[in-house]
Order: sequence, then structure tokens, then C-alpha cells
Amino acid sequence: SALTQPASVSGSPGQSITISCTGTSNDVGGYDYVSWYQHHPGKAPKLMIYAVSNRPSGVSNRFSGSKSGNMASLTISGLQAEDEADYYCSSFGSSYGSISILFGGGTKLTVL
Amino acid sequence: EVQLLESGGGLVQAGGSLRLSCAASGFTFSSYAMTWVRQAPGKGLEWVSGISGTGGSTYYADSVKGRFTISRDNSKNTLYLQMNSLRAEDTAAYYCAKVGSISMVRGVITLDYWGRGTLVTVSS
Repeated sequence: SALTQPASVSGSPGQSITISCTGTSNDVGGYDYVSWYQHHPGKAPKLMIYAVSNRPSGVSNRFSGSKSGNMASLTISGLQAEDEADYYCSSFGSSYGSISILFGGGTKLTVL
Repeated sequence: EVQLLESGGGLVQAGGSLRLSCAASGFTFSSYAMTWVRQAPGKGLEWVSGISGTGGSTYYADSVKGRFTISRDNSKNTLYLQMNSLRAEDTAAYYCAKVGSISMVRGVITLDYWGRGTLVTVSS
């Protein structure tokens, strides 16, 4: 995948976890267009964070995003059973005159 | 309420064609760019193609360039993906997603609403 995420993370209810997303200066590091999506298999993916650290209306404030250089992060605090899902980062990317939306390989979050 | 409903998926032989549709409702369709994203079995998400709100600008992943064509009919609030010369590696669930702005290159470049997908299976 164009962006690098850990394949899996886990945590107990109430704990906090962080998922990293590493790209390059042509995508994550070059633009503030990093988003995070939650995907329960068989359902429509859901936007959780956009423009690095903004939450859409209706998304819990337990979800937060940040970026430093070429790496973005998603932090989920106060883990709940319903947070168990696949999480994908994405970024706008540009190189050699063409644009794209790049995704990470996805991180499976297990709530123990 | 924003709703995106994909259709047109199915089983097709390698080398064949399919046209996917995405019926949109709950927002001013022509004011937003739209995209197609796919997920192969057991794999992650892959952006396929995007189109501006006016339809005047289109963008493609290298993996589909020259084989797929994205288009939209703003009078019908419908997004399309014409897929030709299909390959086994095109087998995936295809999702339609709304972009947060009219452009794919400026504004709120995020995919704020998604459909539930339509499955495309290419047999070799």
C-alpha cells in the first residue's frame, strides 16, 4: 500500500490506542488532507477524521487525529467494544503531475 | 440524509466489460466531486477514480488508466464507472464515495459519505 499502517492493534475497554500512518512528502507530509475511516466488514466505510484533526458532526470526541512530518496518527481513547473495526488512513497525493487519493493497508483494531 | 446506492456489479469473464452506477440523494449532487474506491477480497481500500462536480476533470489510478472511464449525469444525480478489459485482479467490492468539495484538488478533500458497495467478480 502507498501509506504504511500497522496490521493490527489491540486494547482493553477504557484504554487508549494509537494507529500510525506513514507516507512521504508527496502525500501525508505535503498536504493537510489526511483522513481516517472506520470500516466494519459488509458496511459502508465511515469518515472519522478529516483534514488531519477534524471530526465530522456525530463522531465521538474519543477519536482524535494529528500529524508530524510524514506521519499521521489516529488516537482512540476510552476504548469501547463497538470501536472494534478496520481503520484506514488516507491522504491526497501528487507526483509527476498526477493526483490520487492514497490509502494505507488498514489496521484491525481488536478490543480485548 | 445523504444516500449512495451502487449497482451493476456481477460476474464477468476476463476481457469483458461492466458499467457500475451510483445513485445519489440527500445533497446537491453537482456541487461535489465523486470517487470510486474498491476493496479486493482480504485486502485494503484502493482509490480507483475521481471526477469533479462539473464532470470537467477526471482522475484515475495507474492500475485502471486506459481501461476504466468515470462519468456523471448531474441531471440524474448518478455517477458511473465503465470498466473495460477486465482482469482477475479487478475482482473487488466497488464503493462510490462523495468528496467534501466540488474539486478533487482543492477544498475539503475527504470522502465524507460512502455507499455499501457492489461486488464485481472477474473470472479467468
